[in-house]
Amino acid sequence: EPEVTQTPSHQVTQMGQEVILRCVPISNHLYFYWYRQILGQKVEFLVSFYNNEISEKSEIFDDQFSVERPDGSNFTLKIRSTKLEDSAMYFCASSEMGQGPYEQYFGPGTRLTVT
Amino acid sequence: AQSVAQPEDQVNVAEGNPLTVKCTYSVSGNPYLFWYVQYPNRGLQFLLKYITGDNLVKGSYGFEAEFNKSQTSFHLKKPSALVSDSALYFCAVRGRTSGNTPLVFGKGTRLSVIA
Repeated sequence: EPEVTQTPSHQVTQMGQEVILRCVPISNHLYFYWYRQILGQKVEFLVSFYNNEISEKSEIFDDQFSVERPDGSNFTLKIRSTKLEDSAMYFCASSEMGQGPYEQYFGPGTRLTVT
Repeated sequence: AQSVAQPEDQVNVAEGNPLTVKCTYSVSGNPYLFWYVQYPNRGLQFLLKYITGDNLVKGSYGFEAEFNKSQTSFHLKKPSALVSDSALYFCAVRGRTSGNTPLVFGKGTRLSVIA
């Protein structure tokens, strides 16, 4: 069964450093998402992406964040200058279609620890 | 604004007993509703969804969920729990709008099935 994959599984970085989290969505999916979950809190939406542009973004997704689909398979989330409060589990997801009833398929997550 | 509430942080049930994990939602109009499960070191796995029609939805691994519009609830159920069902369960909602819309998640309920 096809899966969403994410690398690395765990990233430790110092405050102020740039990090890039990588995701490989399911190959025939066209809609991509990033979510995050701070320890003990809800899974929160960050950004959705379709046709090489951002479809929607949350308040969390400020100028420090960017997303890119650099080639036909990868989907990346970049945090330019990490802050302590960026420590969280980051989930990538993909979906066949973007509208309502289509479920999103999630990767295993990248645990980001900012020290 | 859309929101999901999972009132229980933890649910404990004996193996073989029925289980219920509660979820209530708030959304304008009719919702799409989803349940996901997260096993340790794995991503969120789709269990089932409600789109329209029959209020009882059947999903993977013997799980089902009952949509109750008057109570704005979508409780997850299973007639006979297994130890392997122990995991973190997330309820999510999505409004019936066009565009690449995100899922809105509850904070999750940890299910522990005791042998």
